Amino acid sequence: SYELTQPVSVSVALGQTARITCGGNNIGGKNVHWYQQKPGQAPVLVIYRDSNRPSGIPERFSGSNLGNTATLTISRAQAGDEADYYCQVWVSSTVVFGGGTKLTVL
Amino acid sequence: EVQLVESGGGLVKPGGSLRLSCAASGFTFSNYNMNWVRQAPGKGLEWLSSISDSTSYIYYADSVKGRFTTSRDNVKNSLYLQMDSLRAEDTALYYCARAYGSGSNWFDPWGQGTLVTVSS
Repeated sequence: SYELTQPVSVSVALGQTARITCGGNNIGGKNVHWYQQKPGQAPVLVIYRDSNRPSGIPERFSGSNLGNTATLTISRAQAGDEADYYCQVWVSSTVVFGGGTKLTVL
Repeated sequence: EVQLVESGGGLVKPGGSLRLSCAASGFTFSNYNMNWVRQAPGKGLEWLSSISDSTSYIYYADSVKGRFTTSRDNVKNSLYLQMDSLRAEDTALYYCARAYGSGSNWFDPWGQGTLVTVSS
């Protein structure tokens, strides 16, 4: 079965750039979507189709996808960006989520 | 405002059944595929099932295939998850989510979830 691998945790200094990776076999050939989940809240879409931002998501959030790694980049990280982040793809007729990455803003 | 509200969660004994509902509002429900996703306490997201707008197809994760059944009522703007033969490992917060986009679609928005606890 297809697996998506994310680092368990990523730390970033306030105002710096955080990069959260999502690894998968030839993931560059798939559309990757990213979700942010804050404690006690439902997930929120932050990036769709690799690099597109939904309305209301700050420009600080961006995405890329090439080869075996998709990346969510958060520029000028803020305290409010602390959350769990999940990548997601479709594989045949099933949905696969990455294990999630906890982002800590120091 | 697009809104999804889950209900029907609760405490159930192992081997028991439960039916979850998801009430949709603020959009034309019959035009969208819908999904169920769950999250065990302290764990990540696990996709369970997707149903097309007209119920022409329904997909399930292996972990629930044969035990859970997804359905929808486009007149009542509602999505359902019938859960049978429940196990302790089914304990989780259950979310419904609208699928958006064509092909490899994404989930937006999500409901706030309903908690299912399977315990004797």
